[in-house]
Amino acid sequence: VVMTQTPLSLSVTPGQPASLSCKSSQNLLHSDGKTYLDWYLQKPGQSPQLLIYEASNRFSGVPDRFRGSGSGTDFTLKISRVEAEDVGVYYCMQRIQLPWTFGQGTRVDFK
Amino acid sequence: QVKLVESGGGVVQPGKSLRLSCAASGFTFTTYGMHWVRQPPGKGLEWVAVISDDASQKYFTDSVKGRFTISRDDSKSTVYLQMHSLRAEDTAVYYCAKDSVAGIDSWGPGTLVIVSS
Repeated sequence: VVMTQTPLSLSVTPGQPASLSCKSSQNLLHSDGKTYLDWYLQKPGQSPQLLIYEASNRFSGVPDRFRGSGSGTDFTLKISRVEAEDVGVYYCMQRIQLPWTFGQGTRVDFK
Repeated sequence: QVKLVESGGGVVQPGKSLRLSCAASGFTFTTYGMHWVRQPPGKGLEWVAVISDDASQKYFTDSVKGRFTISRDDSKSTVYLQMHSLRAEDTAVYYCAKDSVAGIDSWGPGTLVIVSS
């Protein structure tokens, strides 16, 4: 499954919203009713951290300014008001089919 | 809290072997599958391999099939990645990661493998 993220780079103004897109080459809706698309953030110099799982569920401790949406093959991660700690590279990943695959990443920084 | 610590990385010549280890703590190791994910310098993430909680299922990405094996020692709460016939393109930071119903929910700090003559 090929994952395609856009844009590859995004410069944002602190306090302003941001929207990231992820498209998959196959439908990520499983027969169990779950959509196996997750979002990760890799902050500079750190390991990735889980933000959103199953397209729209915020992982424990993730601020509610992060919102995942989408279905089938088109997904979006929205940040309502970008804060300094949100800079880094955002990856989407599908886990409906092995091998699990990541998008190329969207780098978010401040203007 | 969950802690994953990788070790075993280093510089290795092409064609040689290396074994990575990941020591886990802070959770019931025997009830979770474990993954290895790698990241070439300056590039994106690539899922490499997974082993199920009971070690009965193991899967690999195509580029490492036949060269890498994954195993676990539940008595030591440790997962291993044995890498053979290493290539320059295997150069990367290798992350150990914990599986969950929410996907990969915890990651180690990573260990750097450099394949170079």
